[in-house]
Amino acid sequence: AQTVTQSQPEMSVQEAETVTLSCTYDTSESDYYLFWYKQPPSRQMILVIRQEAYKQQNATENRFSVNFQKAAKSFSLKISDSQLGDAAMYFCAYRRTGTASKLTFGTGTRLQVTL
Amino acid sequence: DAGVIQSPRHEVTEMGQEVTLRCKPISGHNSLFWYRQTMMRGLELLIYFNNNVPIDDSGMPEDRFSAKMPNASFSTLKIQPSEPRDSAVYFCASSLRLAGGSNSYYSYNEQFFGPGTRLTVL
Repeated sequence: AQTVTQSQPEMSVQEAETVTLSCTYDTSESDYYLFWYKQPPSRQMILVIRQEAYKQQNATENRFSVNFQKAAKSFSLKISDSQLGDAAMYFCAYRRTGTASKLTFGTGTRLQVTL
Repeated sequence: DAGVIQSPRHEVTEMGQEVTLRCKPISGHNSLFWYRQTMMRGLELLIYFNNNVPIDDSGMPEDRFSAKMPNASFSTLKIQPSEPRDSAVYFCASSLRLAGGSNSYYSYNEQFFGPGTRLTVL
């Protein structure tokens, strides 16, 4: 079974600084998707960024980028120029490819952004 | 599009009562997922449907839980009888399942989440 591990329950970053959230996963599949979701206090699950395992290039979305290390099964999220609105829970998630299938989530990292 | 719609947003009930959560997926989407979020267990899948057919219900905790999808635009998650340990946020998500090979862009199908229903069982 696939598992996703987020070893940082909480992180803090100053506004305008950079922070990296860690995620590791375990799977026997060779092709899959990885995601980072943001959950603000409103509870809404918002997709931040996704990575296809067959792509070697790391995904980027504006201030958000990932460091995908397939051999190490590591998928970290880097937030540059942090803003107060980035404060939220961040969940790493895994999904198999090829069919609509479930997301397997990590336990989340609570990110605080300070002035 | 209005996105995934869930109702009610909040539900407070007493132990033993029946609870029905509702979900309207995004129009045109053919896959629907029910997730539960608790402090103890995090986010976990309860059940998902493809084209209104339940595909994987292995996450449904016990027989007190049941889910239906009578048509492409509506799904319910029912708990009968409810217990305090069922208190959680229940999310519905939908996606468009497209044909394509495993390395095809078209096999990617983002799940869009609803706002969730916060259930409290007293």
